[in-house]
Amino acid sequence: AQSVAQPEDQVNVAEGNPLTVKCTYSVSGNPYLFWYVQYPNRGLQFLLKYITGDNLVKGSYGFEAEFNKSQTSFHLKKPSALVSDSALYFCAVRGNAGNNRKLIWGLGTSLAVNP
Amino acid sequence: DGGITQSPKYLFRKEGQNVTLSCEQNLNHDAMYWYRQDPGQGLRLIYYSQIVNDFQKGDIAEGYSVSREKKESFPLTVTSAQKNPTAFYLCASTGTSGGHPSTDTQYFGPGTRLTVL
Repeated sequence: AQSVAQPEDQVNVAEGNPLTVKCTYSVSGNPYLFWYVQYPNRGLQFLLKYITGDNLVKGSYGFEAEFNKSQTSFHLKKPSALVSDSALYFCAVRGNAGNNRKLIWGLGTSLAVNP
Repeated sequence: DGGITQSPKYLFRKEGQNVTLSCEQNLNHDAMYWYRQDPGQGLRLIYYSQIVNDFQKGDIAEGYSVSREKKESFPLTVTSAQKNPTAFYLCASTGTSGGHPSTDTQYFGPGTRLTVL
């Protein structure tokens, strides 16, 4: 069965420090991986996705994520955190079987960046 | 949020009433989705539609109904059969980027917060 795990409910970092939000997945075949961010009482905003090619994917707002096939991980990173990065982050995966467009979602990680 | 609108932003319902949440997109996307979000539970798929006049149940369809009469519209009705409807409801859509559908990005509306009084 396909699944996504975000092992940390909450991550706390100081402003200016690097941040990492973790995501691991289980899917048959090649995974298609996505990161989204959600600010309070708002919809989800797309940050980046991995489809194929370079394992390091760059996205919006200075975020990047590294696809690691051997560890089945897709961790979200940013070199220098901003207070405005404080939000809820979701990882999602989709397998490439058939015409299925359904995404499997992690439960989310709340990121708090402290000034 | 651009391209997908949801209304109303806040909705209050009395027990026993049906309510309909609106979702409209002007992105010319084929597929549309409804999710329910509860604290600590992430996103759960209610219904999705990959083409006009066709839709499939998601993981938690009981107590909900949808229609897809037009490509740009995918309204969700929360019926009185839904035992615990208080939640944040998110609509999303996916277009065809020319590649495999699995690679398509879902884009979300701003959400509707439904509260049962």
